[in-house]
Amino acid sequence: KNEVEQSPQNLTAQEGEFITINCSYSVGISALHWLQQHPGGGIVSLFMLSSGKKKHGRLIATINIQEKHSSLHITASHPRDSAVYICAVPPEYSGGGADGLTFGKGTHLIIQP
Amino acid sequence: GAVVSQHPSWVICKSGTSVKIECRSLDFQATTMFWYRQFPKQSLMLMATSNEGSKATYEQGVEKDKFLINHASLTLSTLTVTSAHPEDSSFYICSAPTGGASMQYFGPGTRLTVT
Repeated sequence: KNEVEQSPQNLTAQEGEFITINCSYSVGISALHWLQQHPGGGIVSLFMLSSGKKKHGRLIATINIQEKHSSLHITASHPRDSAVYICAVPPEYSGGGADGLTFGKGTHLIIQP
Repeated sequence: GAVVSQHPSWVICKSGTSVKIECRSLDFQATTMFWYRQFPKQSLMLMATSNEGSKATYEQGVEKDKFLINHASLTLSTLTVTSAHPEDSSFYICSAPTGGASMQYFGPGTRLTVT
């Protein structure tokens, strides 16, 4: 079973700061998911990536498959970015999205105005 | 993007009763849906994979006779918590993949409280 580790567990920053959240996993995978969970519990898929880098607005996700590591960056952070950010991976035999995921414990991010 | 709905969003029930939670894909067909559970301050854990037209597959440690899953159509999966107990109180969330090996879309979740 894949072990998914995230760091930091908690992060408080000031508005405008550049944020980095890290994720490492133990078993090789074909793709990794970054998710955002709001205080009410709802989950939004941010990225699924299998190599290199993806960018969406102020969010950037990178992955290094060889090093089994991914990072999520937020540029010009804003209080509305406050949420729990979770990385998740499919089983090692999986092609990507059509399998149940194993989740990290999440990073609780608070952006103060 | 694709939309997945869940109903109800929250439910309180008495110990010993059964509760049904629905997960619907609103604008796409899902032959597979996933059911996850999240206890307070813990990560989501996969409970089972719901397969349209066949039996669900359960993760180790999840009682299939307690958590009944029915994938009635290509847009609906239901999870029934039978004879619920307070330890079943949790946040239950479903997801569905779409477009082959691509994104998973999550429902908004159902918060179950068993008293």
